[in-house]
Amino acid sequence: GQQVMQIPQYQHVQEGEDFTTYCNSSTTLSNIQWYKQRPGGHPVFLIQLVKSGEVKKQKRLTFQFGEAKKNSSLHITATQTTDVGTYFCAENFGNEKLTFGTGTRLTIIP
Amino acid sequence: DAGITQSPRHKVTETGTPVTLRCHQTENHRYMYWYRQDPGHGLRLIHYSYGVKDTDKGEVSDGYSVSRSKTEDFLLTLESATSSQTSVYFCAIRPSGNIGELFFGEGSRLTVL
Repeated sequence: GQQVMQIPQYQHVQEGEDFTTYCNSSTTLSNIQWYKQRPGGHPVFLIQLVKSGEVKKQKRLTFQFGEAKKNSSLHITATQTTDVGTYFCAENFGNEKLTFGTGTRLTIIP
Repeated sequence: DAGITQSPRHKVTETGTPVTLRCHQTENHRYMYWYRQDPGHGLRLIHYSYGVKDTDKGEVSDGYSVSRSKTEDFLLTLESATSSQTSVYFCAIRPSGNIGELFFGEGSRLTVL
């Protein structure tokens, strides 16, 4: 079936370092959504990207959608302990079903 | 708060027993979803519903059934639980008129011994 590959699976960073997670698809994506799940919590919607080459920012978080709409990235500048969690990308491939990537678990070393 | 309640939040059961998880929403959203979350697999769709009595399968539907007799309730049933169904189950709703994002419940942790 249609899949969204997400890398890396795990990332450990020192507090204050930057962090990036990537989503890649073999097919063109209609849009991409990003979610964050805190440890022990539930996924929470962060943002949706729709346009080719789109870049959106939320404070220290920068989301990008590739020019070919086959990849996306989430970059966090100067990580803080509050950034700990698992970040998921997701795509609906044009239907009602949202398919999630496998997620990137971010841990912060104080 | 998206008005989603899952019950039970935790359950331990034995192989072969039936289990039903309930998802209740208070805002009459049309679309409801059941996902399971396992390490290394992310969130995988089990079943979803697009209205009362209207349901469809997701990518991991084997061993699960669902029912939606009222807009507000979406039930997930494991007819005969197996150890491979030990997981965290999340219900989600998709508000109409929004951009298509999902709002998730708190999750139900199921352990099958």
